Amino acid sequence: AQSVTQLGSHVSVSEGALVLLRCNYSSSVPPYLFWYVQYPNQGLQLLLKYTSAATLVKGINGFEAEFKKSETSFHLTKPSAHMSDAAEYFCAVSSGTQGGSEKLVFGKGTKLTVNP
Amino acid sequence: KAGVTQTPRYLIKTRGQQVTLSCSPISGHRSVSWYQQTPGQGLQFLFEYFSETQRNKGNFPGRFSGRQFSNSRSEMNVSTLELGDSALYLCASSLAGKSTDTQYFGPGTRLTVL
Repeated sequence: AQSVTQLGSHVSVSEGALVLLRCNYSSSVPPYLFWYVQYPNQGLQLLLKYTSAATLVKGINGFEAEFKKSETSFHLTKPSAHMSDAAEYFCAVSSGTQGGSEKLVFGKGTKLTVNP
Repeated sequence: KAGVTQTPRYLIKTRGQQVTLSCSPISGHRSVSWYQQTPGQGLQFLFEYFSETQRNKGNFPGRFSGRQFSNSRSEMNVSTLELGDSALYLCASSLAGKSTDTQYFGPGTRLTVL
């Protein structure tokens, strides 16, 4: 069974500082990994996804993530935080089995606060 | 292209009642998944439909059910509501529900059970 662990339910950074949100996964098959962002009272928006192509994945709004198989990690980074980045971030894994009907298994989320 | 739409956005019900939530996927998407989001349990998968057939189901009681219509629109129903059913219910659509397909989420329906 697949699972995702997000270290740190709350992360606080200063505007302009590096953002690092941690995600570790467990999967018995090669995983497909996703980062989503959720703003208050809204649904989830895809930031980026890893589907076994390049291990460094670039997403929207300046975010990127690196797939590290040896560490079973897929941490999300952004070089310089902006006030508009304040939101909740979810890492998710999809099992990658054949036949379709894949569900996403989400981590508990990390709430990012950006201080002026 | 219009995104995933969910109606209604907010619902207030009392225990014992039943509720139906609706989801219209992105045009051309044939897979619709439903998730429940609560502060305690986080995001949990309910079920997935493709071509009017339920292909996958999460670990929820039988009070939770759904269906999909020929135009890919989907509804989920919760019968005999309990206080613990209060949650944000999110619908997501994708082209075919494959693991590499991106799931696009709607804004959700916030259900409050009193």
